[in-house]
Amino acid sequence: DTGVSQNPRHKITKRGQNVTFRCDPISEHNRLYWYRQTLGQGPEFLTYFQNEAQLEKSRLLSDRFSAERPKGSFSTLEIQRTEQGDSAMYLCASSFSGVGTDTQYFGPGTRLTVL
Amino acid sequence: DAKTTQPPSMDCAEGRAANLPCNHSTISGNEYVYWYRQIHSQGPQYIIHGLKNNETNEMASLIITEDRKSSTLILPHATLRDTAVYYCIVRGYMDSNYQLIWGAGTKLIIKP
Repeated sequence: DTGVSQNPRHKITKRGQNVTFRCDPISEHNRLYWYRQTLGQGPEFLTYFQNEAQLEKSRLLSDRFSAERPKGSFSTLEIQRTEQGDSAMYLCASSFSGVGTDTQYFGPGTRLTVL
Repeated sequence: DAKTTQPPSMDCAEGRAANLPCNHSTISGNEYVYWYRQIHSQGPQYIIHGLKNNETNEMASLIITEDRKSSTLILPHATLRDTAVYYCIVRGYMDSNYQLIWGAGTKLIIKP
């Protein structure tokens, strides 16, 4: 299966700790997105990369959040000094900006629980 | 804010066609209608998308009204594995803003 992969699938951490999540997009996809989803809600956009450039960040992405996509391949999302409100599912999606409508394909997500 | 409205929940009998409606009355000419679904605790799964013509793939059919203000996703022979939250999303092609804006979706329950 060559879909989007995310690691870890689950993360439990204590308040104040730092966590890092990884996303591996579908090969050849030049765009990569991070979303956050809380229980009972649809996903909310966090940030977007085209190749290695981070082109947009949501106001939801506070200073404690940082995302990188070195060399335009995999991406990492780091949360520093985690808070209980950060508990959510973190979703990664990728797409290709060629001919067509740039359909986003999602990974399985990383579920974060902050105690 | 989401540009679509969907019923919060629907039931369908196994083996029957499931018809999920979506209203997008403010859709503009270059905006596509996308459908995703999310089975409990999994990532969203792409189903289908369209601009103005009806579309069909191996998973579903998408019927878009002539005025493009509403659409219907059709699962022709629903199975228990189709139980999920279904999201209808309107997205502009070549927007400077590439994010998908999600509403609350429709929780579809397939009953035996």
